[in-house]
Amino acid sequence: ETGVTQTPRHLVMGMTNKKSLKCEQHLGHNAMYWYKQSAKKPLELMFVYSLEERVENNSVPSRFSPECPNSSHLFLHLHTLQPEDSALYLCASSQASGRVGGTDTQYFGPGTRLTVL
Amino acid sequence: KNQVEQSPQSLIILEGKNCTLQCNYTVSPFSNLRWYKQDTGRGPVSLTIMTFSENTKSNGRYTATLDADTKQSSLHITASQLSDSASYICVVSEGNDMRFGAGTRLTVKP
Repeated sequence: ETGVTQTPRHLVMGMTNKKSLKCEQHLGHNAMYWYKQSAKKPLELMFVYSLEERVENNSVPSRFSPECPNSSHLFLHLHTLQPEDSALYLCASSQASGRVGGTDTQYFGPGTRLTVL
Repeated sequence: KNQVEQSPQSLIILEGKNCTLQCNYTVSPFSNLRWYKQDTGRGPVSLTIMTFSENTKSNGRYTATLDADTKQSSLHITASQLSDSASYICVVSEGNDMRFGAGTRLTVKP
């Protein structure tokens, strides 16, 4: 058990739906991350929050909207997605500043398997 | 072309055997290199992290090596177990950015 939980674990949605992914960390960390993992492709960093402020956004389409109401919770709001957005969405947290290239270890949740029809 | 290349893409070995996974990178400047293990249906779990000055790091049966001159790293697994079946991901950091390899899928058979 890594102390990072994600819900739902599986989600199927149509292109016109609006849904949200939730992540919660129980480790007392200061930074949280969203990643996208597509089949046979490297992990893609989407968003980074440090102390509830967004510090990184790797040019992610606006149909993905993150929200970090406090240091323990992170959401990813989804609307008008495309079939190519189908992937495993992983949340992670780390102790320190959220500096992406730093040495603090990121702890990952189990992911949400998203299918867009 | 990805700046972090892992080989092989997949590997099948028998239980009890050793194996070595490779990671070559072109990332520069280099900050650190991590190896993660990702079980099917789970998130990645950190195995090792090495900075520029380190050339080997062990975690139980897992030993990672780093040659910063040739920009190569390897992950050696000793006396493999069925539970070692997973994807192994190499991640190289440059400054404030991280570059991910596509992973090696390891299957350990009885």
